[in-house]
Amino acid sequence: AQKITQTQPGMFVQEKEAVTLDCTYDTSDQSYGLFWYKQPSSGEMIFLIYQGSYDEQNATEGRYSLNFQKARKSANLVISASQLGDSAMYFCAMREPGGNKLTFGTGTQLKVEL
Amino acid sequence: GAVVSQHPSRVICKSGTSVKIECRSLDFQATTMFWYRQFPKQSLMLMATSNEGSKATYEQGVEKDKFLINHASLTLSTLTVTSAHPEDSSFYICSAENQAEKLFFGSGTQLSVL
Repeated sequence: AQKITQTQPGMFVQEKEAVTLDCTYDTSDQSYGLFWYKQPSSGEMIFLIYQGSYDEQNATEGRYSLNFQKARKSANLVISASQLGDSAMYFCAMREPGGNKLTFGTGTQLKVEL
Repeated sequence: GAVVSQHPSRVICKSGTSVKIECRSLDFQATTMFWYRQFPKQSLMLMATSNEGSKATYEQGVEKDKFLINHASLTLSTLTVTSAHPEDSSFYICSAENQAEKLFFGSGTQLSVL
């Protein structure tokens, strides 16, 4: 069974600073996908970034980058130059092979301060 | 970009009544859709996988007679919470998979059962 662990229930960061949100995972599969989603208070799930288990380079999407350390089974999200609008819940998720079922972590509530 | 519409966004109903939630893929065909449930400040938990033209696949512990899923067309899946009770109050969110196996989430439905 797959498991996603997010150990930071809440994080604070100052505007314009970078912040790292932790995610570790556990799986016996060789092929898997890792996702980060942002969920603002309105509830929708906004896709941020994806990393495939066989991707050798860390994924980047604008201000988002994924620090993928396969041996450590970690997939931390780095947000650079934080903005007030980044305040939201962030979920790490894993996709099992052969389908699109996602297993989510418990989330990290990020608050960006002035 | 691809859009998934979920309706209603919020519903309040009396205990014992049934509530139907719709999930539509607006600009792509979705043979597979997923239904998640999220309690306040908790993670998303997969309830079931909805397959067009066939029966849904429910996750362990999810009552299929309680949560009826119908995926009658390539753009619409519905979740009906039958004989709703206060413990069914939750945030329900769907996701749809396009032909390229990319996932798109709806905006969610907040169900409150009085």
